[in-house]
Amino acid sequence: DVKVTQSSRYLVKRTGEKVFLECVQDMDHENMFWYRQDPGLGLRLIYFSYDVKMKEKGDIPEGYSVSREKKERFSLILESASTNQTSMYLCASSSGDKNEKLFFGSGTQLSVL
Amino acid sequence: SQQGEEDPQALSIQEGENATMNCSYKTSINNLQWYRQNSGRGLVHLILIRSNEREKHSGRLRVTLDTSKKSSSLLITASRAADTASYFCATDASDSGAGSYQLTFGKGTKLSVIP
Repeated sequence: DVKVTQSSRYLVKRTGEKVFLECVQDMDHENMFWYRQDPGLGLRLIYFSYDVKMKEKGDIPEGYSVSREKKERFSLILESASTNQTSMYLCASSSGDKNEKLFFGSGTQLSVL
Repeated sequence: SQQGEEDPQALSIQEGENATMNCSYKTSINNLQWYRQNSGRGLVHLILIRSNEREKHSGRLRVTLDTSKKSSSLLITASRAADTASYFCATDASDSGAGSYQLTFGKGTKLSVIP
């Protein structure tokens, strides 16, 4: 069964901490994405990657960076967490045409205090 | 940028009834997709319809696409309590240029199916 695994289901961090959110997919997909989901705002794309070591900014990249050293792993980094980054973070992957059929992880609910 | 907008925002029906959700978008698209999200979980892909298709079926799901009205509908027939979830449309804009990424999600319709 295909799988996108996010390392943490719930995470609580303090303002100013450096936060790493990890995502691993076992489908050999070329494309990986990080979204955040907030009530009333829906899903917003933070960053995506279509190949190892490649990254592209999405709609809201400010305050975030990403790393893709291996094909199966895509990390989202909050360099200095702030309270407005409290959100549900969703990782997704796709193969081939990156705009078709995304497979999502279960999400990480991050609270920044 | 948000393109797809679902309607209604929330829908409550009895088990066995049909549920219809609508999605409107603004620009030309290559395809439109519907996803489902159970509370606090990730999204699951349900169905994709291409711009040259008008209707598509998958089990109890029926999706229609009207490109002249820039709208789509998702029909769930004979609903079950397990269908309770949020449903999102996602559009792939056709004017985004080759190699670019333009899949954007709406804010979702929250469906409650009462046993």
